[in-house]
Amino acid sequence: AQKVTQAQTEISVVEKEDVTLDCVYETRDTTYYLFWYKQPPSGELVFLIRRNSFDEQNEISGRYSWNFQKSTSSFNFTITASQVVDSAVYFCALRGPGGYQKVTFGIGTKLQVIP
Amino acid sequence: KAGVTQTPRYLIKTRGQQVTLSCSPISGHRSVSWYQQTPGQGLQFLFEYFSETQRNKGNFPGRFSGRQFSNSRSEMNVSTLELGDSALYLCASSWGPGEEEQFFGPGTRLTVL
Repeated sequence: AQKVTQAQTEISVVEKEDVTLDCVYETRDTTYYLFWYKQPPSGELVFLIRRNSFDEQNEISGRYSWNFQKSTSSFNFTITASQVVDSAVYFCALRGPGGYQKVTFGIGTKLQVIP
Repeated sequence: KAGVTQTPRYLIKTRGQQVTLSCSPISGHRSVSWYQQTPGQGLQFLFEYFSETQRNKGNFPGRFSGRQFSNSRSEMNVSTLELGDSALYLCASSWGPGEEEQFFGPGTRLTVL
């Protein structure tokens, strides 16, 4: 069975601070895919990143960066110099290989960036 | 390019009624997934369709059903509504099943009274 744990349910930071959102996953598959999605107050989930299990390179996209560590089954997301527009609920998700496995989402972390 | 569209956006029903929600995927996408989002349970997978075939199903009772049409549009139906079915129902589309990222619609907010 797959499981995604986002231990931080709510985080508040002051604008321009860096913040890291944690994601720990469990799976028996050797090949799997990890995702991060953002859900702003408007409600529509927005895709942020996909990572394959065989690619442990960290990724940076502007102020966003992701740290994937298979050894600790973690896929953490860092926002540098946070902005008010970053306020949203962030979801980490996991999917196994092939086309017959469902996507498992974490409970989400609500990030509030205070101006 | 148009995104995923869901209709209706808001719906109010009473217990015992049934409801049908519609989802039109992004043009060219052939896989459609449905999720139920509630404050307590988060995002829970309902089912996924690809080429009119259900590929996977979550742990929901048989009152929840769905289908996909030849143009990839999908509908989900909930019969004999219960208060606990009140939720945001999200539809997501992707090119195919598997590892591709999903693109989500705005959701249908269902309230059961």
